[in-house]
Amino acid sequence: TQTVSQSDAHVTVFEGDSVELRCNYSYGGSIYLSWYIQHHGHGLQFLLKYYSGNPVVQGVNGFEAEFSKSDSSFHLRKASVHWSDSAVYFCAVRESSGSWQLIFGSGTQLTVMP
Amino acid sequence: EAAVTQSPRNKVAVTGGKVTLSCNQTNNHNNMYWYRQDTGHGLRLIHYSYGAGSTEKGDIPDGYKASRPSQENFSLILELATPSQTSVYFCASGDPGTSAETLYFGSGTRLTVL
Repeated sequence: TQTVSQSDAHVTVFEGDSVELRCNYSYGGSIYLSWYIQHHGHGLQFLLKYYSGNPVVQGVNGFEAEFSKSDSSFHLRKASVHWSDSAVYFCAVRESSGSWQLIFGSGTQLTVMP
Repeated sequence: EAAVTQSPRNKVAVTGGKVTLSCNQTNNHNNMYWYRQDTGHGLRLIHYSYGAGSTEKGDIPDGYKASRPSQENFSLILELATPSQTSVYFCASGDPGTSAETLYFGSGTRLTVL
């Protein structure tokens, strides 16, 4: 069974700080990994995804994520956050074969203080 | 741009009543999904569909039915609503033809069952 773990329920930083939101998964086969963002009162929006190739993938608005097979991780980073980045961030994983189902982590609430 | 529209945005129902949540997508995507979002649980998959006429059970299908009468429309039906079904419900569509399916979400329906 695949699982996705986001160990930090809440992260608070100041505007201009860098941030890393952590995501760890447990699955032995080939998988797709992705990050979604949810602003308050809205649905989720796609940020970025990884399947193969360069382990560092770029997303929208300056976000990037790095895949590490040895650590079973897919952490999301941003070098300099803006107050508008305040939102809930979800990591998701899907097997490359079999079920189409995306398994979501429980989310990390990022709060950016002015 | 991809568009997924949910209706209603908010719904108050009584225990034992029938509730229908509607979802329409203009993306021409084959796959559609219904999730519920509860604090501490992230998103959990209720039902999904591979195309018109198909419905499949997700992780938590009990108490829910789904209907996919056309490519564009996917409904979630609560025949006998219970207070435990109070939640925020999200519909999503996705294209399985891509190597790593990106999901497009609606803005959600907040359902309260009294």
